[in-house]
Amino acid sequence: QVQLVQSGAEVKKPGASVKVSCKASGYTFTSYYIHWVRQAPGQGLEWMGVINSSGGNTNYAQNFQGRVTMTRDTSTSTVYMELSSLRSDDTAVYYCAREGGSYFEKSFDYWGQGTLVTVSS
Amino acid sequence: DIQLTQSPSFLSASVGDRVTITCRASQGISNFLAWYQQKPGKAPKLLIYAASTLQSGVPSRFSGSGSGTEFTLAIISLQPEDFATYYCQQLNTYPRYTFGQGTKLEIK
Repeated sequence: QVQLVQSGAEVKKPGASVKVSCKASGYTFTSYYIHWVRQAPGQGLEWMGVINSSGGNTNYAQNFQGRVTMTRDTSTSTVYMELSSLRSDDTAVYYCAREGGSYFEKSFDYWGQGTLVTVSS
Repeated sequence: DIQLTQSPSFLSASVGDRVTITCRASQGISNFLAWYQQKPGKAPKLLIYAASTLQSGVPSRFSGSGSGTEFTLAIISLQPEDFATYYCQQLNTYPRYTFGQGTKLEIK
């Protein structure tokens, strides 16, 4: 069965960086894009960016340009999201999600369990 | 970026009720719309894609409709497990797939 398993919770100080992993299993890793979505406490879902698991191409939301880097390791079927220059308002749960379906039926069909990143001095 | 506006933001209903949630897009998105259900402390779960196609395993009391700029999620005969927050998402403009602000469905 398809699974996306994320790394554990992190506590970071302002100005630091965090790297969250998302390990995929149960499908052909390089056939699907992986997106990252975050959710601040009590807030909605915010799209951060996407990585092509095959070619490694990325596209980031304007809000995170220059601070976020998404990479992948095809040998371990793992995607990484690194966010730098952390601020207190980066405190959130970070999710990875697979973009599935055909062109006309696409959706985020599988999600990781989420990783809580807390930024506090 | 395309903006999605959900209404209402909060909805109070009873078990057995029928409810509808609306999602309006700031520009036409054909039927590139998905709906998700999220319960506290859990990841979102896909309910509907392509505006009206039910994801495998999702109960048939959920349905989606609409095209262009206006979409609706309907739930008939609400069950206790349906009380959650619901989000719409547009997948028209790759890759910036924005979400609506969410609708919290609470027990009356």
